Amino acid sequence: EVQLADSGGGLVQPGGSLRLSCAASGFTFSDYYMDWVRQAPGKGLEWVGRISNKANSYTTEYAASVKGRFTISRDDSENSLFLQMNSLKTEDTAVYYCASRGVGHGYLDVWGRGTTVTVSS
Amino acid sequence: DIQLTQSPSFLSASVGDRVTITCRASQGIGSYLAWYQQKPGKAPNLLIYAVSTLQSGVPSRFSGSGSGTEFTLTISSLQPEDFGSYYCQQLNSYPLTFGGGTKVEIK
Repeated sequence: EVQLADSGGGLVQPGGSLRLSCAASGFTFSDYYMDWVRQAPGKGLEWVGRISNKANSYTTEYAASVKGRFTISRDDSENSLFLQMNSLKTEDTAVYYCASRGVGHGYLDVWGRGTTVTVSS
Repeated sequence: DIQLTQSPSFLSASVGDRVTITCRASQGIGSYLAWYQQKPGKAPNLLIYAVSTLQSGVPSRFSGSGSGTEFTLTISSLQPEDFGSYYCQQLNSYPLTFGGGTKVEIK
């Protein structure tokens, strides 16, 4: 079964750091582009960023709201995706989802269950 | 950045009704548009991609259409399990963006 399991969320103070993880199973992780999407409490979906696959040199793209503070990386040998979040702000409080893009169509067709990040003093 | 404007933001309809949600883009996005359904406390679920292609396993009462800057998601006969929020997303250019969402309530 194709699955993504995101983890690593928690409570952190403003200015702090947190690293989220996403463990993939049931598919050839190394072939897939991967994204992070977040959802603030009671709000809509916000795209955070994506990392390409090895064939495309692991390039990254980010939303302006997180660029320079967040870094997406992956370890294909461990079938894992990461989101390193630094200089966290209260407005980064959200549920964070990892998602994979279908190889055939490039849309977000498999999602993790989400992990909650709360930035508060 | 490409802005996506969804309307309505909320709708209440009865079982069996035909429901239409509109997504307007601030500039042309070709056919790079998807629709997602999200139920409370759950991750989004891909319904339709490339404007009109139904994702595997999605009921045929869902359909998508449109081109350029205006797109629609139609539920031909609303079912009780169709409650939740619906979002459009463009993948034409970075940063990727989502519409603000449409919350669907079953009367």
